[in-house]
Amino acid sequence: SQTIHQWPATLVQPVGSPLSLECTVEGTSNPNLYWYRQAAGRGLQLLFYSVGIGQISSEVPQNLSASRPQDRQFILSSKKLLLSDSGFYLCAWSVTRAGVAEQFFGPGTRLTVL
Amino acid sequence: SQQGEEDPQALSIQEGENATMNCSYKTSINNLQWYRQNSGRGLVHLILIRSNEREKHSGRLRVTLDTSKKSSSLLITASRAADTASYFCANAGGTSYGKLTFGQGTILTVHP
Repeated sequence: SQTIHQWPATLVQPVGSPLSLECTVEGTSNPNLYWYRQAAGRGLQLLFYSVGIGQISSEVPQNLSASRPQDRQFILSSKKLLLSDSGFYLCAWSVTRAGVAEQFFGPGTRLTVL
Repeated sequence: SQQGEEDPQALSIQEGENATMNCSYKTSINNLQWYRQNSGRGLVHLILIRSNEREKHSGRLRVTLDTSKKSSSLLITASRAADTASYFCANAGGTSYGKLTFGQGTILTVHP
């Protein structure tokens, strides 16, 4: 069976510090990978998606970047965090079958920038 | 940008009652999916309805889709306190990479 891991679960960082959130998937190969951000009480905003190693697409301009160094590893980074980067970050994976892809989410990382 | 609006934004009911949540979307769809999120947790996939389907059932869940009105509804019958969560619809526009556009969600509270 497939599982998705995210860490850390919670993170408190000062403004201007770097960020690295990691997501790994087990039990599947060549998945599509996604990073979302969820502000308190709001829906999900897609930040990045990746269809393969080294292939990253950004949905919105921002202070963050993403990388996919291995097939089942997706990393979200920032060189200098802003207050507005606070939120709940979710990683997800999907595999398209018969033109349909449901997404499977990790447990999320709650980031607070002070 | 977020597309799709769920209504109501919040719904409070008693155990045993039915809960109906609605979702509207703006672009064409390949399929529409409903997800559930318990507080502070990741999302869990509930049910998927394809663009050529009008109704789908899964246990106590019933989803309808009206492509002419670009809307969908999720009905939870005989609700339980454990159904308390946020519910999101997500529009799958048919891209090869499975991109989903989520709505803002409905917060459902079921009182025991």
